[in-house]
Amino acid sequence: EAQVTQNPRYLITVTGKKLTVTCSQNMNHEYMSWYRQDPGLGLRQIYYSMNVEVTDKGDVPEGYKVSRKEKRNFPLILESPSPNQTSLYFCASSYLGGRSLNSPLHFGNGTRLTVT
Amino acid sequence: SQELEQSPQSLIVQEGKNLTINCTSSKTLYGLYWYKQKYGEGLIFLMMLQKGGEEKSHEKITAKLDEKKQQSSLHITASQPSHAGIYLCGADNSGNTPLVFGKGTRLSVIA
Repeated sequence: EAQVTQNPRYLITVTGKKLTVTCSQNMNHEYMSWYRQDPGLGLRQIYYSMNVEVTDKGDVPEGYKVSRKEKRNFPLILESPSPNQTSLYFCASSYLGGRSLNSPLHFGNGTRLTVT
Repeated sequence: SQELEQSPQSLIVQEGKNLTINCTSSKTLYGLYWYKQKYGEGLIFLMMLQKGGEEKSHEKITAKLDEKKQQSSLHITASQPSHAGIYLCGADNSGNTPLVFGKGTRLSVIA
């Protein structure tokens, strides 16, 4: 089954403790992206990757890192999480950044992160 | 940067009623995308519109893009509880930059 898999689904951590949220897709998509969703602010892009070893900042990259060493994986790293990073995070993938009718963005089921 | 405004922010309708959600862009669109999010889950692609005046339907959901390609509407006919969720529009305003999304419209359908 074609899917984007994020882990974990829920995560509670403390300020400053490094964490990684994993994202994997099995559709051979070149494009992958991370978003955060907050009430009243909607869905905002953190980082995206057009292909292996190519990553770019989105609208809210501060406090986050990503890597794209393999096509299928795009982990999101929080080196020193802070409470303002408490949010619902989504990973997505597609062939053409979601701009093609034949390849819309496929989203994972989300990771709800709480930083205390 | 691209600004997408969705209205209303939330909507409660009685089962069987029709409803419309709007998405307005500050810039001309290369493409307009509608996604649905069930509460606490990921987004699911509904439809994509590219041409001015274009209209597409999927089951009881119809989306239109106006002639100027700056506004889209999503219309649900005879709403059902399965239609409940958050509807988001996404926009491509350049053809080579990532999509941006509106803040979403939260739809509740009550019996």
